[in-house]
Amino acid sequence: DVKVTQSSRYLVKRTGEKVFLECVQDMDHENMFWYRQDPGLGLRLIYFSYDVKMKEKGDIPEGYSVSREKKERFSLILESASTNQTSMYLCASIGQENEKLFFGSGTQLSVL
Amino acid sequence: SQQGEEDPQALSIQEGENATMNCSYKTSINNLQWYRQNSGRGLVHLILIRSNEREKHSGRLRVTLDTSKKSSSLLITASRAADTASYFCATDDNTDKLIFGTGTRLQVFP
Repeated sequence: DVKVTQSSRYLVKRTGEKVFLECVQDMDHENMFWYRQDPGLGLRLIYFSYDVKMKEKGDIPEGYSVSREKKERFSLILESASTNQTSMYLCASIGQENEKLFFGSGTQLSVL
Repeated sequence: SQQGEEDPQALSIQEGENATMNCSYKTSINNLQWYRQNSGRGLVHLILIRSNEREKHSGRLRVTLDTSKKSSSLLITASRAADTASYFCATDDNTDKLIFGTGTRLQVFP
């Protein structure tokens, strides 16, 4: 089975800190995604990537950046964390031949 | 942009009853998928229905799709307490990304 691993389950950071959320998948998937999930708003797409060193903005990219230096790893970066970025962050991947997303367990980020 | 909207937002039923959740979307799609999320965890894929299909079954799950109304429904038959979770629809409009709805929280009481 595909495994998508997010480096932290819970994370507490201070306002203004630079935050890295790491995601690794083990099935050689080309496409990787970062979503954030907030109550009543469902999942919203932040960024996605089709291949190494490629990135595309999703619906809510402001305040975030991403890095895809290796195919298996997709990092989400909060350049200067703010309290409104407190949320559950979900990473997912999908292969070219697949049609369904495989998700990590999520990172609950609290920015104080 | 939120593509899918689930209805109801929350549903509470007794074990053994059926649970029906609905999803509406806005644009043409290649397929529609349903995912399940246990509390505080990642999402797990349940079932996919293509735009040229009208109904699909998988175990206790039954999904219908009406492209003329841009809507889908997920039926869970003979529900169990372990079915308690949030359920999301997601649409693939051939832009290489899935757009998720806001979800339905299902509570099944023993």
